[in-house]
Parts: sequence; structure tokens; C-alpha cells
Amino acid sequence: DTAVSQTPKYLVTQMGNDKSIKCEQNLGHDTMYWYKQDSKKFLKIMFSYNNKELIINETVPNRFSPKSPDKAHLNLHINSLELGDSAVYFCASSQEGQGAVGYTFGSGTRLTVV
Amino acid sequence: DAKTTQPPSMDCAEGRAANLPCNHSTISGNEYVYWYRQIHSQGPQYIIHGLKNNETNEMASLIITEDRKSSTLILPHATLRDTAVYYCIVRVGGDYKLSFGAGTTVTVRA
Repeated sequence: DTAVSQTPKYLVTQMGNDKSIKCEQNLGHDTMYWYKQDSKKFLKIMFSYNNKELIINETVPNRFSPKSPDKAHLNLHINSLELGDSAVYFCASSQEGQGAVGYTFGSGTRLTVV
Repeated sequence: DAKTTQPPSMDCAEGRAANLPCNHSTISGNEYVYWYRQIHSQGPQYIIHGLKNNETNEMASLIITEDRKSSTLILPHATLRDTAVYYCIVRVGGDYKLSFGAGTTVTVRA
């Protein structure tokens, strides 16, 4: 009964490959997010979807493309992976009207590009 | 969002209270103070939030100064499992964006 689940937990891949990370939440939240935490440990927001509509799109290379087939799922596809993409990617969800209280994070996907 | 300033690290003895300060001198009237923590290799976890009044829940207490320019998160009886990075975040309650700074790395020692 995990609230926000991400798959895979670990991903090791070669430069130039294309990979996807999946996220699902069973909390009934209407907003989902992708965050990136690099080696310096800073957590930075990348994207946010509210009811399948993109509402936050930070300065992220267009090799990163989020997709939200429904409000319970937000996937992240990365094309032409580069060494600098190595990081931990966290998915999160929240419910409109609950502000930051309702943020629930997944356990992260550690991406290593070699 | 208003910026926050936190000490980079602090130690605490197990069983003692841990007091984590946060300065947010440019906070606006409609901005809340939120605290999250991130235990090693896990996603951030909500702890507590407040606007003006002091708040307490099962995890911690939040003390906000009268001028709202600073706050203190209190972990009443720190345990080894409280070792984590603690983030103080200030933002408007209805805003979707939750921005994290560097936080305070708290190490609880036996």
C-alpha cells in the first residue's frame, strides 16, 4: 500500500540510451511532480502536472519529457542520456488546497549513466 | 518565495531536545513556514508547518517569532532515527512549487 511508488529503484545505463522512470500514486492527489537531486544533494523541481496538465516546467533540457496518462501516473522519459543526468529522481504528489502539507514523496530512482 | 537561512549542520545527543533555527527575514504576510526532512536515501517527509502561531504535532514543535522573521523546529526527544537533513521552506500556502534549499544536516549521537 505504498503511497507514491517509483520504478525502477536503480537504473544503470550507458550514455546515449533512452530510458523511462515510472511513478504512480494511490492517494487520490491531483498534482504530481518530478524532482532531481544531484551529487551535491540539492533538490530541484523539474516538472509538475495537475490533472494531466503541465503546470510547472523548469529549465530542463528538452531531452526530458514528462507524460501523465492520468492523474495517478507521471512518467519521465529521458532521451540521449548524458553523464550529467546521473542523479536521484524523486516523484511526489499533492492535493490542491492542501499546500505543502500534502506533499508525499516516493523513495527515489537512482540513475547512473556510464 | 522568501529565502531561508539555516546552519549547515548540527549535532544533538540522543534523548535531548534538538532546536533547529531558521531565518526568513523577508517573509511575506501570506507565506507559511514549512519543515521537511530527508533521511538518507529516502524522499523528503513533511514534518510541520505554521503561519503565525506555534504549532505542535506528534513529530515536532514549531516556534515562530512574533515578527515572523525566524522560527525554530524542536524535536523534543531526539533519537538516532532523527538523523537527517532538515529543510525550512517558506512559501504561499496555495503555491504548487516547493523549493528546497541546502537545509541543516542533523546528526544525533548516542
